[in-house]
Amino acid sequence: GESVGLHLPTLSVQEGDNSIINCAYSNSASDYFIWYKQESGKGPQFIIDIRSNMDKRQGQRVTVLLNKTVKHLSLQIAATQPGDSAVYFCAENIEGYSTLTFGKGTMLLVSP
Amino acid sequence: DSGVTQTPKHLITATGQRVTLRCSPRSGDLSVYWYQQSLDQGLQFLIQYYNGEERAKGNILERFSAQQFPDLHSELNLSSLELGDSALYFCASSIGTDNQPQHFGDGTRLSIL
Repeated sequence: GESVGLHLPTLSVQEGDNSIINCAYSNSASDYFIWYKQESGKGPQFIIDIRSNMDKRQGQRVTVLLNKTVKHLSLQIAATQPGDSAVYFCAENIEGYSTLTFGKGTMLLVSP
Repeated sequence: DSGVTQTPKHLITATGQRVTLRCSPRSGDLSVYWYQQSLDQGLQFLIQYYNGEERAKGNILERFSAQQFPDLHSELNLSSLELGDSALYFCASSIGTDNQPQHFGDGTRLSIL
């Protein structure tokens, strides 16, 4: 399978641009989704979550969109800043289970 | 700061040895989760404890074990270590069980020589 770190999909943007990071999830029984940000040397940091009864949720500078028909999740970051540079993971939780299944991750690089 | 504390930050040991990683969850959280992150496998769930009891098991090797103590801190024990066990080990905690955000510590980097 695809390797995290060595073969991570990368999105490069300019400071001030809007960024969109995509994630395809695997299980139609998943009913809860989370986006995490992981900076070098740190643990994954919770950004935003969404339940399957919603298709959009907004936070501070971030929006998560959920399309259950095609099993697709996206994270939109407005006015991207250099401090947003990190690896972003989506995670899904299958209804009735307490564990999260993480995607492979996308590296976001923001240049000034 | 997530409120989850992991010790030690770094651990270097040799093959065949045994180590213990420690995690203190956020105040008020009853669930503790352990994950392994390596370059070729990404973030893999190992095991979950809820209020002292094992709740869910993932891809955890038989050489690995964990427990959660009455004060809710947790320990992950790794024995008969192999080179392939070198990885980052993360602990996360949440208030309850499913459909809740998990908050991660900054991990323990384990290097096997």
